[in-house]
Amino acid sequence: KAGVTQTPRYLIKTRGQQVTLSCSPISGHRSVSWYQQTPGQGLQFLFEYFSETQRNKGNFPGRFSGRQFSNSRSEMNVSTLELGDSALYLCASSSQTGRDEQFFGPGTRLTVL
Amino acid sequence: AQSVTQLGSHVSVSEGALVLLRCNYSSSVPPYLFWYVQYPNQGLQLLLKYTSAATLVKGINGFEAEFKKSETSFHLTKPSAHMSDAAEYFCAVSVPGNQFYFGTGTSLTVIP
Repeated sequence: KAGVTQTPRYLIKTRGQQVTLSCSPISGHRSVSWYQQTPGQGLQFLFEYFSETQRNKGNFPGRFSGRQFSNSRSEMNVSTLELGDSALYLCASSSQTGRDEQFFGPGTRLTVL
Repeated sequence: AQSVTQLGSHVSVSEGALVLLRCNYSSSVPPYLFWYVQYPNQGLQLLLKYTSAATLVKGINGFEAEFKKSETSFHLTKPSAHMSDAAEYFCAVSVPGNQFYFGTGTSLTVIP
């Protein structure tokens, strides 16, 4: 089985712009979670989608949003980018919500200038 | 509420020495516990998981972890460190119907 893929791998944006990141889960997996990873904060949970519905949400502002499509692919959008949004954004998929291990993609490195 | 605490953000060991990475968890229900490893510029890779079966769990690359309910701990060990073990290690807990909670990570340095 192919692993979790994330596109693009690297992005450079300027403050105020918006960005969309994409994640394709492992075939058959219906749960997709997004995390923000920064050196100071570690892994911060953004949200989780299961069968096109947002099931869990972390403590991030409304500028961060996501969605999941019928084929389980997921996108994450960040509007009005701030310098502090520079981070590695990781996507993880699992076959169920919560209990199964999560399989991670390589991440998208976002740099906001 | 669920949480994970990893003691020691940086750990250094000599090649061939014992690796011990500490993880304590807090959970109101029986937890599932995980250890992940992250190499530079990569995503996280599962090392091992505890799912309420055997308390001593063996994972990949010679790592193992022991679930101790009385101590709410799930420490990761490896008898003999190898240079290739240098990486960031994350402990995580999950509960039914909820998301994963990750620790802040421990950076392991292996000294030749």
